[in-house]
Amino acid sequence: EPEVTQTPSHQVTQMGQEVILRCVPISNHLYFYWYRQILGQKVEFLVSFYNNEISEKSEIFDDQFSVERPDGSNFTLKIRSTKLEDSAMYFCASSEYGYTFGSGTRLTVV
Amino acid sequence: AQSVTQPDIHITVSEGASLELRCNYSYGATPYLFWYVQSPGQGLQLLLKYFSGDTLVQGIKGFEAEFKRSQSSFNLRKPSVHWSDAAEYFCAVAPFTGGGNKLTFGTGTQLKVEL
Repeated sequence: EPEVTQTPSHQVTQMGQEVILRCVPISNHLYFYWYRQILGQKVEFLVSFYNNEISEKSEIFDDQFSVERPDGSNFTLKIRSTKLEDSAMYFCASSEYGYTFGSGTRLTVV
Repeated sequence: AQSVTQPDIHITVSEGASLELRCNYSYGATPYLFWYVQSPGQGLQLLLKYFSGDTLVQGIKGFEAEFKRSQSSFNLRKPSVHWSDAAEYFCAVAPFTGGGNKLTFGTGTQLKVEL
């Protein structure tokens, strides 16, 4: 069964540093998403991406965040100048008719 | 805007007992509904989904869910729980199946299974 692949599985970064989280969506899917789950809380929508542009973003997705599809397979989330409260599990998903989630990247900001 | 309510934060059941996890949604039209399961430190695994048609949907691991339009509910059930079912369960809703339409998740129900 096709999978969404996320790397790295864990990342520890110092406050103020930039991080890039990577995702390889399912190859024939056209819609891509990033979600965030702070420990013990619900999964929150960050951004959706279609046809090389953002189609919707939440209020969480401020100027600190950006997304990119640098080539035909990768989909990245960049967080500039990380803050302690950015510590969370970040999930990538892709969809065609149904949503498939990756296994997540656990980001810890220290 | 759509919203999802999972009224039970924690549920404890004995192994072999039946299970029902509640989910209520708020949306103007018939939404697309999903149940996901998450084991500790793991990703989200799709249990089942409802798009249209038969309101009783079967999923993986012996789970089923019933869509009741009149109650705006999509409750998850399992007739006999196994210890390996202990996890967190999330109900989610989307306006339709893709096209940049985001999933909105409930706050989750943590299931504990007593042996």
